[in-house]
Amino acid sequence: QSALTQPASVSGSPGQSITISCTGTSSDVGSYNLVSWYQQHPGKAPKLMIYEGSKRPSGVSNRFSGSKSGNTASLTISGLQAEDEADYYCCSYAGSSWVFGGGTELTVL
Amino acid sequence: QVQLVQSGSELKKPGASVKVSCKASGYTFTTYAMNWVRQAPGQGLEWMGWINTKTGNPTYAQGFTGRFVFSLDTSVRTAYLQISSLKADDTAVYYCARDLSFPDAFDIWGQGTMVTVSS
Repeated sequence: QSALTQPASVSGSPGQSITISCTGTSSDVGSYNLVSWYQQHPGKAPKLMIYEGSKRPSGVSNRFSGSKSGNTASLTISGLQAEDEADYYCCSYAGSSWVFGGGTELTVL
Repeated sequence: QVQLVQSGSELKKPGASVKVSCKASGYTFTTYAMNWVRQAPGQGLEWMGWINTKTGNPTYAQGFTGRFVFSLDTSVRTAYLQISSLKADDTAVYYCARDLSFPDAFDIWGQGTMVTVSS
């Protein structure tokens, strides 16, 4: 199972919106509505931000939103804040297994 | 509160074995599947597999068969990852992560256990 494809890095200024893409195949992202997104700050464990493509766990800011079209999922962060600076990983169910993206480093300028 | 607490960092020599523990609290342990995820230094997340906490049946991802063993002790609400014949490229942080509603997403993560393999 190949890793999902994410941009290595994205950046934005405070208050702006950014979108991180996550491209898979018809065997994973395209087949299941089970894409999740994780935020990871340096030296910390990942944190679930979006699940089932677009749902937010309790406590996650509504500035984070997810969507999917075909084999590509996306995470949008609106109203960027300094604390959003972190690595972001997408993950998709692939039928009896899970596959992660390579990760995207978000820099808040 | 719901949490997973993992055992501390390990320094091992090549060829040795290591056993990482992941103790659950704040929820019914056998209700949720447990996954293991590896993160090599400076690298991304890699799914290693999962264990059914009701039956104890493990499933291993490609690349994690043979030397890797998932196990449970439900009496103490703990999952274990054992790695044998350690190699330098096993050096990584290992996370346990609960599945929200198998298969769904990893909603609770342990703090991670750093395993360093060095002579």
